[in-house]
Amino acid sequence: GQNIDQPTEMTATEGAIVQINCTYQTSGFNGLFWYQQHAGEAPTFLSYNVLDGLEEKGRFSSFLSRSKGYSYLLLKELQMKDSASYLCAVRGNAGNMLTFGGGTRLMVKP
Amino acid sequence: GAGVSQTPSNKVTEKGKYVELRCDPISGHTALYWYRQSLGQGPEFLIYFQGTGAADDSGLPNDRFFAVRPEGSVSTLKIQRTERGDSAVYLCASSSGQGTRQYFGPGTRLTVT
Repeated sequence: GQNIDQPTEMTATEGAIVQINCTYQTSGFNGLFWYQQHAGEAPTFLSYNVLDGLEEKGRFSSFLSRSKGYSYLLLKELQMKDSASYLCAVRGNAGNMLTFGGGTRLMVKP
Repeated sequence: GAGVSQTPSNKVTEKGKYVELRCDPISGHTALYWYRQSLGQGPEFLIYFQGTGAADDSGLPNDRFFAVRPEGSVSTLKIQRTERGDSAVYLCASSSGQGTRQYFGPGTRLTVT
């Protein structure tokens, strides 16, 4: 089976940097995804890691360590519109479906 | 271009009734997924189609839940004898093939009274 853990809530200040951690225990691993979800809306894709290391995409970066079962999403130069839930999801070997963590609700304050 | 669409956006039904939820994937996407998301939780996998066939239905909670994709495009999730515990947002996603990024629809919010 799969177990994905991430903090329930985080608060940060506009313009700052925030790191959202995700740890996972899986029976197989074939990639880790981060999605952003605003309240009442569909999850939207942010990043994908399958190899160890850092993937950078504009203000957002994602890191993966497969040996530690650990990933983080780094958000720089926070904006008010970044207030949302951030979902960590793992794709196992047994199929193409994603197993999601509970999501981290990020509140950005002025 | 058009994304994944789902209808209805909201559905309120009485306990014991039957409901159908529809998903229109992105044109050309062969893979289609159904997830269920309860308030404050991450999405939970229900079923995955590759083409017309269900490649993995291990997430369906019980035999009251059934899904079809007869022509390999639109999919319908069917719930019989609804229970209050079925209340959730039902999300559909599609991808261009196995192992590729999934695009999510806006979801159908189901409320069972």
